[in-house]
Amino acid sequence: QKEVEQDPGPLSVPEGAIVSLNCTYSNSAFQYFMWYRQYSRKGPELLMYTYSSGNKEDGRFTAQVDKSSKYISLFIRDSQPSDSATYLCAMSATTTDSWGKLQFGAGTQVVVTP
Amino acid sequence: DVKVTQSSRYLVKRTGEKVFLECVQDMDHENMFWYRQDPGLGLRLIYFSYDVKMKEKGDIPEGYSVSREKKERFSLILESASTNQTSMYLCASTPELQQYSNQPQHFGDGTRLSIL
Repeated sequence: QKEVEQDPGPLSVPEGAIVSLNCTYSNSAFQYFMWYRQYSRKGPELLMYTYSSGNKEDGRFTAQVDKSSKYISLFIRDSQPSDSATYLCAMSATTTDSWGKLQFGAGTQVVVTP
Repeated sequence: DVKVTQSSRYLVKRTGEKVFLECVQDMDHENMFWYRQDPGLGLRLIYFSYDVKMKEKGDIPEGYSVSREKKERFSLILESASTNQTSMYLCASTPELQQYSNQPQHFGDGTRLSIL
């Protein structure tokens, strides 16, 4: 079983809708949680970065972490066609042997239709 | 802005060839990483380096080696390419790690490698 599970999609939504993405994980040592966006034929770019539990908001993006359920979410409000991309969750622990190592989900493909 | 540059966007090589993938970062980052990305599997860590001439194995190091002679450059080497190494290869970098801390990684645009 993978340490990080993410539904690959594709997830198709109409422009203006809320996009809801999530990942589950099994390693309770994970403390750092990230969301990356990857456009076709490009590298991943960092969208959101949170430590431990709670919510973080940045413009149209909201990241939530629920450590008790081992579940993280990303919400995109007022979605635009330019949000069409693959969204990757990533996480890491604070143990010495995990310094700098990220565990990624497989990525969810999102398509926002005009 | 951090710039991570991978020398080739697309590369086609033959089985058995020795293949070099190059990565350069311009932000004086201590740590550099090589991943491969395959559909349904996400990104998997091959090797990483936390200093010049230092390297650590990631989750899937078999069939690969790395070289870091200068701080800004990290090379991935396929010693004898095989068809199952056809993949997207991504390089990333991050500043110095501190205990009980972490930094998000900055990625290049990837090299799509095909082994025939």
